[in-house]
Amino acid sequence: GDSVTQMEGPVTLSEEAFLTINCTYTATGYPSLFWYVQYPGEGLQLLLKATKADDKGSNKGFEATYRKETTSFHLEKGSVQVSDSAVYFCALRSAGNMLTFGGGTRLMVKP
Amino acid sequence: DAGVIQSPRHEVTEMGQEVTLRCKPISGHDYLFWYRQTMMRGLELLIYFNNNVPIDDSGMPEDRFSAKMPNASFSTLKIQPSEPRDSAVYFCASSLSSGGAVYNEQFFGPGTRLTVL
Repeated sequence: GDSVTQMEGPVTLSEEAFLTINCTYTATGYPSLFWYVQYPGEGLQLLLKATKADDKGSNKGFEATYRKETTSFHLEKGSVQVSDSAVYFCALRSAGNMLTFGGGTRLMVKP
Repeated sequence: DAGVIQSPRHEVTEMGQEVTLRCKPISGHDYLFWYRQTMMRGLELLIYFNNNVPIDDSGMPEDRFSAKMPNASFSTLKIQPSEPRDSAVYFCASSLSSGGAVYNEQFFGPGTRLTVL
């Protein structure tokens, strides 16, 4: 079945550092890929998405590129802020209309 | 728009009691999803509905769990009887489909934190 694997956290960075959170997936067909973010005490919010190979999703300074050849969708940001501290989930949607989530990666940004 | 509304936000109950969680999806959305989030198992899809009809309930852990969607604006997730291992945050999400497939994002509610003592 479909699965998503993302790096375990927590990831602790200083403000303005470069962020990478790795995400790889296993799926049949050509799934759409997503990054969701969960701030403390809240539900998940869509951060960005990509629907086909080589697409780049971007939002709020975050980017991720759909790499079919490596089955990856790594999340990057050039300069993180304290306000980016949250849990980040990589997910895929395949033909079943369901989302399959990775385990989540907690990011902590220190001033 | 008010977004997905869930109630209660927090629920503390004793083992063996019935628990009912409620969800109001975004108006006009035709898909509704129930998830459970725990530290041990992460985010799990329990069940989802399309046009009020349950489509896939394979994630429902056992017969103690049941979900209904009597109309397009309301859904419940019931646990009877509850057990301490059911303690988790339960999320409801809704989405709008296009051409029969869910192309658009899922919008999540704030969740219900359930504690079973």
